[in-house]
Amino acid sequence: AQTVTQSQPEMSVQEAETVTLSCTYDTSESNYYLFWYKQPPSRQMILVIRQEAYKQQNATENRFSVNFQKAAKSFSLKISDSQLGDTAMYFCAFMTQGGSQGNLIFGKGTKLSVKP
Amino acid sequence: DAGVIQSPRHEVTEMGQEVTLRCKPISGHDYLFWYRQTMMRGLELLIYFNNNVPIDDSGMPEDRFSAKMPNASFSTLKIQPSEPRDSAVYFCASSLPVLYGYTFGSGTRLTVV
Repeated sequence: AQTVTQSQPEMSVQEAETVTLSCTYDTSESNYYLFWYKQPPSRQMILVIRQEAYKQQNATENRFSVNFQKAAKSFSLKISDSQLGDTAMYFCAFMTQGGSQGNLIFGKGTKLSVKP
Repeated sequence: DAGVIQSPRHEVTEMGQEVTLRCKPISGHDYLFWYRQTMMRGLELLIYFNNNVPIDDSGMPEDRFSAKMPNASFSTLKIQPSEPRDSAVYFCASSLPVLYGYTFGSGTRLTVV
């Protein structure tokens, strides 16, 4: 069974600094997709960034980038120039390309606090 | 586009009562998902539909839970009878081919007393 592990329950960062959130996953599949979702206090789940496992290039979306290490099954999220609005729960998620397509498996989340 | 719309935003009900949660997916999205979020278990997939057809309901915890999608623009999740352990936030999400990621609604916070 696929699992997603986020080993940092809580983190904090000063405004304008850079922070990296960790995520590891376990799968025997070779084709899959990885995602980071943000859940601010409003409760809305917001897609931050996605990565296809077959792509070696790390995905980037403005201040958000990932470090995808397929052999190590690691998918960390880097937030540059942190802003107060980045305060939220961050969830790493995994989905296989075939089989039970559609089952997005989430980690337990990391609570990020950005301090002024 | 208004996004995925869920109602109600909050629901408080007494144990034993029937609860119906509603979801309107984004127009044109082929997939619809129901997730439950709790502190203990995190986010769990309950059921998902493709083109209005239920594909995988293995996450539905008990027969007390049922979900329908009568058309492409509406889905319901029903709990009958409700129990205090059903208290959670229930999310609906929709998607084009799922590899693009889901768009979530704002969730319904259900409290069963």
